[in-house]
Amino acid sequence: AQKVTQAQTEISVVEKEDVTLDCVYETRDTTYYLFWYKQPPSGELVFLIRRNSFDEQNEISGRYSWNFQKSTSSFNFTITASQVVDSAVYFCALSEAGQGAQKLVFGQGTRLTINP
Amino acid sequence: NAGVTQTPKFQVLKTGQSMTLQCAQDMNHEYMSWYRQDPGMGLRLIHYSVGAGITDQGEVPNGYNVSRSTTEDFPLRLLSAAPSQTSVYFCATHGSGGTNYGYTFGSGTRLTVV
Repeated sequence: AQKVTQAQTEISVVEKEDVTLDCVYETRDTTYYLFWYKQPPSGELVFLIRRNSFDEQNEISGRYSWNFQKSTSSFNFTITASQVVDSAVYFCALSEAGQGAQKLVFGQGTRLTINP
Repeated sequence: NAGVTQTPKFQVLKTGQSMTLQCAQDMNHEYMSWYRQDPGMGLRLIHYSVGAGITDQGEVPNGYNVSRSTTEDFPLRLLSAAPSQTSVYFCATHGSGGTNYGYTFGSGTRLTVV
């Protein structure tokens, strides 16, 4: 069975600090996809990134970066120079490929608070 | 281009009442699904559909029914609401093939059963 664990329930940092959100996953599949979503206080789910299991290159998008390591089954998310607008709940998720791709398995989420 | 539209945004039901949560998409995606979000538990899959006329159960299907008569619509029915179904419900779509985007979620329906 697939499982996603986000061990950090809540994180609070001061603005401009760097912060890393951890995500560890379990799957028996060799082909799978990993996702990060942001849920701001308004409640919608905002897609941040999708990574397939064959692509272990790290991804950088502005202040956001992702570190995918198959050896440790981790897909961590780092925000550099955090801003108050980054305050949200962040979810890591996993799906199979093919017919299983419509089943997303979510972690419990990490509530990130950026204090001014 | 609305993407995924969920109605209503808020709903209060009494125990035993029935209702349908609506989900419509204009993205021509094959796959649609329903998730519920409860505090501390992330989102959990209720039901999903891989195309019109085809549905299947997810992780927490009990108490919910779905049908998919068209590509665009995927309603979620609560036949006899229970307080345990108090939650935020999200509908999602995604297309098939080697696309490089994630799921698209609706804005959610906050349901309270009293």
